[in-house]
Amino acid sequence: EDQVTQSPEALRLQEGESSSLNCSYTVSGLRGLFWYRQDPGKGPEFLFTLYSAGEEKEKERLKATLTKKESFLHITAPKPEDSATYLCAVPRYGGSQGNLIFGKGTKLSVKP
Amino acid sequence: ETGVTQSPTHLIKTRGQQVTLRCSSQSGHNTVSWYQQALGQGPQFIFQYYREEENGRGNFPPRFSGLQFPNYSSELNVNALELDDSALYLCASSSRTEGDTQYFGPGTRLTVL
Repeated sequence: EDQVTQSPEALRLQEGESSSLNCSYTVSGLRGLFWYRQDPGKGPEFLFTLYSAGEEKEKERLKATLTKKESFLHITAPKPEDSATYLCAVPRYGGSQGNLIFGKGTKLSVKP
Repeated sequence: ETGVTQSPTHLIKTRGQQVTLRCSSQSGHNTVSWYQQALGQGPQFIFQYYREEENGRGNFPPRFSGLQFPNYSSELNVNALELDDSALYLCASSSRTEGDTQYFGPGTRLTVL
């Protein structure tokens, strides 16, 4: 069964303390892996799409990487405004385009 | 460029009632997907509409139904509301040229009492 697991569930960092979030996936045929940021009570905001193992993408303090079994979201020198829940998702194998399976997310808190 | 918009922002209904949620897709996008997000969970795919027809459905009962209009906007209808239907309902739009990449609206918070 297609599945996405994110860890840790919650992460508390001091401002400037770098760390990584993990997304493990099980899917028969990967058509891409997506990272989103979600603020409380808001819709997810698209961050990155990764398509193949070894691919990396960066945006400000965030860098996403992909292997054959998992993806990492690295946060370098985070700021309080990076506090949010980070979601990863993969398309369901055999599903329609855009039928995404999401993990439960990692809730990141960055303290000044 | 206008992003995805949803209405209303919040809604309170009682068990057994019916509700309609609305979504306008991002400019240039012709596909709309609906997701349900319970508190503390990731979004769950309900269904998708492309060219005014349902184009894929998740594990949701038939009382969840939808429409897509010629301007690509969409509605989600839920009949016979149950307490467990309380959630954030998200609409996402996409373009066939961008593969599976979805752009989400702000959501509608539905509370069923």
